Amino acid sequence: DIVMTQGALPNPVPSGESVSITCRSSKSLLYSDGKTYLNWYLQRPGQSPQLLIYWMSTRASGVSDRFSGSGSGTDFTLKISGVEAEDVGVYYCQQGLEFPLTFGSGTKLEIK
Amino acid sequence: QVTLKESGPGILQPSQTLSLTCSFSGFSLSTSGICVSWIRQPSGKGLEWLATICWEDSKGYNPSLKNRLTISKDTSNNQAFLKITSVDTADTAIYYCARPTEGISFDYWGQGVMVTVSS
Repeated sequence: DIVMTQGALPNPVPSGESVSITCRSSKSLLYSDGKTYLNWYLQRPGQSPQLLIYWMSTRASGVSDRFSGSGSGTDFTLKISGVEAEDVGVYYCQQGLEFPLTFGSGTKLEIK
Repeated sequence: QVTLKESGPGILQPSQTLSLTCSFSGFSLSTSGICVSWIRQPSGKGLEWLATICWEDSKGYNPSLKNRLTISKDTSNNQAFLKITSVDTADTAIYYCARPTEGISFDYWGQGVMVTVSS
């Protein structure tokens, strides 16, 4: 199985500050079609996860441009430019390259 | 508008079989390229993909649950199902159904259904 490892944030983060959440995969997620199969989600308290980014850097429909994704084949970053109160929750990365699909353990964001 | 909604027994006893239903609208499991997945989340913990079924009846399972999982669909009624046999307390979780899309990401999720395994 592909293991997804996420980093932590120095919570709480001051409102308006920019943060980067890291994720590393145990295998390259770059596929032969040239796309990198890494996705990001936000799970707000008490809610279902919400897709933010797919294919490592493509924002999902309706997602604020404050969210951006980048990375290589195994190391990935989700950047939030200017955190706001509504960004509070747990962020998950997920690989879509192969079954079993696997998620990182989550990165919690708290705002001061 | 795409929606998904899970339903299940709420509580069941160890060794029983868990049966879950995902009722969806806004898309059809008879359309080429469409799939539905099940994902679970124990309280306070992370997300675990369980299984996926697609329009042509292909299926994928998480091997960590060995042979306990069976996913199926009723295309006519826009439903997908998941059965988990021989449940124990470790299967206590919120169970979500979700629709895979580009990059095998999940763009639509149900609200989740809480399942408790307790004697």
